[in-house]
Amino acid sequence: DAKTTQPTSMDCAEGRAANLPCNHSTISGNEYVYWYRQIHSQGPQYIIHGLKNNETNEMASLIITEDRKSSTLILPHATLRDTAVYYCIVRVGDTGRRALTFGSGTRLQVQP
Amino acid sequence: GAGVSQSPSNKVTEKGKDVELRCDPISGHTALYWYRQSLGQGLEFLIYFQGNSAPDKSGLPSDRFSAERTGGSVSTLTIQRTQQEDSAVYLCASSFQTGANVLTFGAGSRLTVL
Repeated sequence: DAKTTQPTSMDCAEGRAANLPCNHSTISGNEYVYWYRQIHSQGPQYIIHGLKNNETNEMASLIITEDRKSSTLILPHATLRDTAVYYCIVRVGDTGRRALTFGSGTRLQVQP
Repeated sequence: GAGVSQSPSNKVTEKGKDVELRCDPISGHTALYWYRQSLGQGLEFLIYFQGNSAPDKSGLPSDRFSAERTGGSVSTLTIQRTQQEDSAVYLCASSFQTGANVLTFGAGSRLTVL
């Protein structure tokens, strides 16, 4: 899996967009970018993933740069319930023989 | 079921006792994973059941830890002769296919070893 770098922590005001960056400069052509989050005292929750095109679902948007060396997860209108640790994971699509592994992620604190 | 179910949600045990933690994955999911998370720490992979293939046990920290998955469904994680450092939240996840990267996690079982 390609190495990822995320800021340790970020703050965001409630109602504003939260933009969480992830650097993955060694990403390979067949590796996807996955995002999960873990709200305190809960199991991780899958958010979104993408290969090269920008993706959007009901939870978030994923913007991947043209060179694919970095990406940004966007929560368009952050709420207090979005306070969580956000994990960016880069790996080959659904053919892995190893289980998913999680780094240390970004701790997002949404402020009232 | 609708989600991944884990039991018990909380378990307090004395050092040296054996414990069993249960995971009931989403119906039809072929892959099942166990992770643990110590207080304030990241997620640590333990074991991965990948359909009919041999499980990947590479994350089990010692031979006191074992897991079974019966009938391709329910899984039990057993910790023998528990130690205080085993205290953690044990998380189970399942996915529709082996090798998938979209996992659904349960709420976890919090183990406290006194």
